[in-house]
This record gives sequence, structure tokens and C-alpha cells, in this order.
Amino acid sequence: GESVGLHLPTLSVQEGDNSIINCAYSNSASDYFIWYKQESGKGPQFIIDIRSNMDKRQGQRVTVLLNKTVKHLSLQIAATQPGDSAVYFCAEIERAGGTSYGKLTFGQGTILTVHP
Amino acid sequence: DADVTQTPRNRITKTGKRIMLECSQTKGHDRMYWYRQDPGLGLRLIYYSFDVKDINKGEISDGYSVSRQAQAKFSLSLESAIPNQTALYFCATRRQGGHEQFFGPGTRLTVL
Repeated sequence: GESVGLHLPTLSVQEGDNSIINCAYSNSASDYFIWYKQESGKGPQFIIDIRSNMDKRQGQRVTVLLNKTVKHLSLQIAATQPGDSAVYFCAEIERAGGTSYGKLTFGQGTILTVHP
Repeated sequence: DADVTQTPRNRITKTGKRIMLECSQTKGHDRMYWYRQDPGLGLRLIYYSFDVKDINKGEISDGYSVSRQAQAKFSLSLESAIPNQTALYFCATRRQGGHEQFFGPGTRLTVL
């Protein structure tokens, strides 16, 4: 969904369905892109990352796709479960030089609700 | 055991009061960060530190100060709290050369 003002995009799915969460980024110099999951009352938790020289990376039940042409990132969750309900943030990080990384810039976030 | 801890977890205070939020980590990381999260927004960087003698401003440092007392400890202070500083505050750590940040559980601060 599209965000309007301060309202987070929301995605509602049924248990067992696949979920796709989208993110647009702005910095062409970003070197890594990271997806974080934030459950209510907790800090963001790392899910999966992808380097800028890749277009796809798979983890356990999750896949991240990167389209640098249109500066778009997506997180696909297979067989979504109620425990996947959370806010999902994409984040980008720029290489600051050598092996050093610059600051992490977060996107707005998407609320995923999984119905049993 | 939690690797990144924050105290207090919740705090309600009044306008004009001085508040300190503490962060401790057992990960051995040299980089530490303070973020603020408001409803409907992602996390925004307040301050960060690459080691005990290094302090850097983030995008929203006005009204905040920090102290890096040791490699494992990074505290955030609000010298004179105001209501628009009501937010969730997160501490994070990162090892040198790594790109992943590890977050604490957050502190919910309410300024009346």
C-alpha cells in the first residue's frame, strides 16, 4: 500500500499465504540493504540483508529482491505465520570508505498483520 | 542474556526535567548509536560513537547530549525535556567492519 502522511502502509494476509513488502530507497551510493522486523515492545531485529552487487538473496522463508534501476527493494515471506505479524523496516547503509560503513537510514515501515 | 540492554524501559517525566537514558552492551562492539522512533516514522539517528573518545551528531541531535563512559556504555541525556521529545528511544551497536546493527529493547519516554 501507499503511505499517506504519518500512516504506515499496512498489509493483511491469511496464514499460509505469501507476503510481499515493498520499499523504495533514495541513495544510489548505498552498499547494503537490510530488512528489520520490529515486534510490539521490542527493538528492530535483523532478518536478511543484500549487498548492492546482488539482485536476489534467500534466507529461511524469506527472499529479498533488489532492483537498482528503479531503486526498489522487496521482502518476500513464504507461508506467512501469525508470528510474522510485526512492523517491517527496510534500511540502507552507505560505504564510508575502505571497510568502514556510514550511517543506517531507515525507511518508514510497513505493518504486516497475519490472520489465522 | 540480552546483548544490548537499556534502562529504564519506561519513563514519564515533566517538561524541564533532566533525563538520562542508559545503554549497555556485552557484544564487545566499538560502535554505538542512539535512535529515536516516532509513530508512523522510521528510526532517526540522534548521536553515534565509534569509540570512547569519539562522539558524532546524527540528524536530530538538538536538545540531546551523549556520553560514552566506556566501550560498553553509551548514555543519552535530555538536559531539559520537552513534550515533543516523547518517543521510543533505541540504542544499537555495530562492530568495526560490519554493517549490521544490533538493537536494544527500547525506552519509552513520555514528557508531560
